[in-house]
Amino acid sequence: RKEVEQDPGPFNVPEGATVAFNCTYSNSASQSFFWYRQDCRKEPKLLMSVYSSGNEDGRFTAQLNRASQYISLLIRDSKLSDSATYLCVVNTNAGKSTFGDGTTLTVKP
Amino acid sequence: GAVVSQHPSWVICKSGTSVKIECRSLDFQATTMFWYRQFPKQSLMLMATSNEGSKATYEQGVEKDKFLINHASLTLSTLTVTSAHPEDSSFYICSATQLSGAWEKLFFGSGTQLSVL
Repeated sequence: RKEVEQDPGPFNVPEGATVAFNCTYSNSASQSFFWYRQDCRKEPKLLMSVYSSGNEDGRFTAQLNRASQYISLLIRDSKLSDSATYLCVVNTNAGKSTFGDGTTLTVKP
Repeated sequence: GAVVSQHPSWVICKSGTSVKIECRSLDFQATTMFWYRQFPKQSLMLMATSNEGSKATYEQGVEKDKFLINHASLTLSTLTVTSAHPEDSSFYICSATQLSGAWEKLFFGSGTQLSVL
């Protein structure tokens, strides 16, 4: 089993749709959690950190469930520019980051 | 936000040559830098963790004699792919950590596309 597992993609949605990505992690010692966005042949860019209480940034909402070792990312009102691969990243307290395989989103007109 | 500069952006080289990739943190001191490799349609795979002034820690299956890492200062880490072969062709990315309270964020270089002929 992989340390960080994400929904297999790809997700193909129309503009304006709401889409949710799920991520589970196996290391209960994990301390911090992030969602990154990666465009083709580009470096990953931090989309948002994930806090225990859940957090929202515009159209993006992240949730963390430590008991279930589960993280989610919700995108509302999808835009064409949201098309990318979304990476779930989990850090342990040793500072090691583990990446999920990523979920590819394509938003179509 | 923190900036990590990576050079070169792309390299085409002949089989058997060595290629050096530089990763610099421009506006912060990075005690730890990470090197990743990414094959098409796959996620980032951590190759090694580079700590300033000490030997790098390599992940299982990564040949330390082939992928030489040097982290001589708090702002510079280099990865040298020695005697590169076509199977080493990949997208190589570095990252550096910056503590933000209790949250350790990763900032990535722009990546280096290596093509070995």
